[in-house]
Amino acid sequence: DIQMTQSPSSLSASVGDRVTITCRASQDISLYLAWYQLQPGKAPKSLIYALSGLQSGVPSRFSGSGSGTEFSLTISSLQPEDFATYYCQQYKTYPITFGQGTRLEIK
Amino acid sequence: EVQLVESGGGLVQPGGSLRLSCAASGFTFLPYTMNWVRRAPGKGLEWVASISTTSNFIYYADSVKGRFTISRDNGNSSLYLQMNSLRADDTALYFCVRDFSLGANLDAFDLWGRGTYVTVSS
Repeated sequence: DIQMTQSPSSLSASVGDRVTITCRASQDISLYLAWYQLQPGKAPKSLIYALSGLQSGVPSRFSGSGSGTEFSLTISSLQPEDFATYYCQQYKTYPITFGQGTRLEIK
Repeated sequence: EVQLVESGGGLVQPGGSLRLSCAASGFTFLPYTMNWVRRAPGKGLEWVASISTTSNFIYYADSVKGRFTISRDNGNSSLYLQMNSLRADDTALYFCVRDFSLGANLDAFDLWGRGTYVTVSS
């Protein structure tokens, strides 16, 4: 199975900050990498597909980058609605696997 | 409105069974591979199972293989998860999730439901 490791596991930041979450795969997954946002009481939201593709309706302050085994999600200017838990996911092969999550909290 | 709505969760004793349902609306269900994903309390997301458009290809996580069965009814735009021999560690919020691309065998997810909660406890 492909292991996905995210860092940090939690992060405190302020509105307006630029933040980056990283994700490492245990083997090369090419660009089969996605990012998701989870907030309590809401349906999870898909943010990024294929490494850097922005899902419909996702603000442009979200961006994805990386290649092979090292990836990142960047939020260029945090907004109040961005405080949530973020997960990376590989879909190169079954079983589909997720990172352990990064909780983004208000400082 | 394009949405997925799960139902069927609840409290069940260890060893018991439960059947989850997911009703899709606002889009054509048939061309999409569908999935179940769960989140146990205090833990991260875990992929559970996937089913292709005409049910030809079905995949399970090792943790549920032999106990859970994913199925779909394209005529009724519905996805199901039959869960047998339930264990305490199956306690989780279960999400119904749509693949991003039409007809893809393995793809990112795009549309999620709000989930239905399953508690396995005596």
